[in-house]
Amino acid sequence: GENVEQHPSTLSVQEGDSAVIKCTYSDSASNYFPWYKQELGKRPQLIIDIRSNVGEKKDQRIAVTLNKTAKHFSLHITETQPEDSAVYFCAASIRAAGNKLTFGGGTRVLVKP
Amino acid sequence: GAVVSQHPSWVICKSGTSVKIECRSLDFQATTMFWYRQFPKQSLMLMATSNEGSKATYEQGVEKDKFLINHASLTLSTLTVTSAHPEDSSFYICSARDLGDLTYNEQFFGPGTRLTVL
Repeated sequence: GENVEQHPSTLSVQEGDSAVIKCTYSDSASNYFPWYKQELGKRPQLIIDIRSNVGEKKDQRIAVTLNKTAKHFSLHITETQPEDSAVYFCAASIRAAGNKLTFGGGTRVLVKP
Repeated sequence: GAVVSQHPSWVICKSGTSVKIECRSLDFQATTMFWYRQFPKQSLMLMATSNEGSKATYEQGVEKDKFLINHASLTLSTLTVTSAHPEDSSFYICSARDLGDLTYNEQFFGPGTRLTVL
């Protein structure tokens, strides 16, 4: 089955700096790659997603890049703010496999004011 | 739109009892719902895929007789943890896909249910 690796597991950045989280996946049939932000005790919130026919997508301070050949995708957060502090998860899914999501291990991001 | 609710939000029970958790899609229909379990400081692990009108599909290592799933309508799926034990204490989260979403990719998550078994 699909396996998703996420790095780093923790990330501390100064407010205003950029944060980058990287994920790799194992199944080349994966075609949907969402990123979630989860605060303690809350549901995961979709912050951005990308499909396999697109190489890059941006939404204000957040961007995601996808390299299908290398089977990795990354989340970029620019101009970080304290409210960006949370746990971020990447995930991958395969439509032919019922769109089940396989999650990465998560990255705990701390933005220091 | 695309709201998913869960009930209860938290539950404490004694070891050996059964607990039922409900997952509802409030403003859309979902033929497929997913159940996840999340232990503290860990990722979400898919337990099973719930299909309306048919049996659930369980992930490897998940006991189907212990985690009973029923998806009786297009808006409701239930997870029953039978004979719960302290090791079943966890955060249980459901998600649903919108039947009307042509891309059929995005999953909408419920707020989660915190289960504590004493």
